[in-house]
Amino acid sequence: SSELTQDPAVSVALGQTVRITCQGDSLRSYYASWYQQKPGQAPVLVIYGKNNRPSGIPDRFSGSSSGNTASLTITGAQAEDEADYYCNSRDSSGNHHVVFGGGTKLTVL
Amino acid sequence: QLQLQESGPGLVKPSETLSLTCTVSGGSISSSSYYWGWIRQPPGKGLEWIGSIYYSGSTYYNPSLKSRVTISVDTSKNQFSLKLSSVTAADTAVYYCARPLLPPHHDAFDIWGQGTMVTVSS
Repeated sequence: SSELTQDPAVSVALGQTVRITCQGDSLRSYYASWYQQKPGQAPVLVIYGKNNRPSGIPDRFSGSSSGNTASLTITGAQAEDEADYYCNSRDSSGNHHVVFGGGTKLTVL
Repeated sequence: QLQLQESGPGLVKPSETLSLTCTVSGGSISSSSYYWGWIRQPPGKGLEWIGSIYYSGSTYYNPSLKSRVTISVDTSKNQFSLKLSSVTAADTAVYYCARPLLPPHHDAFDIWGQGTMVTVSS
């Protein structure tokens, strides 16, 4: 098994750029996926793979990775981006297990 | 458009077995090489992967829950199910069924059910 670590909370001024990070050993081998979750709603996949956005996700969302750290960047944050963000990846043991980060609460000021 | 819908009791007694079903509509559960997964979220907390089942029937479980979890597929009903035995209050959560993208992105869950709240209480 493995763990993914996220900062509990991050804030950004409206229109500015924010980076949310996710750290874990599994990220040395596998890409992270990123999810946005608003109160009372199911999570929504926003980034997967090297830097892929599902249909309908604005291009202000992007992903990157270096070593054991994956990052989700929102360029020009909007009020509607205020939400919880979760990363996940395959487990570092490579046995089809999945692990989630603890989540980051993003506040848009 | 593929849709997932969880169903099952909203209240389960301690020590009993939690049973949930996810009904798949808009597509066949046995088509293509998809995994199907269960994920839960305790109130005010983060997401926890419970386990996944491959369309062929192979199962993969969270090691922390493995001794209590069973996931199965009923292709005739286009459903997959979760059973979690010996529940305690710590199993109180919103339970989601979800389908990830095709391998190698089978950890990227792009389709989610709306979630169902399950409370463990006597």
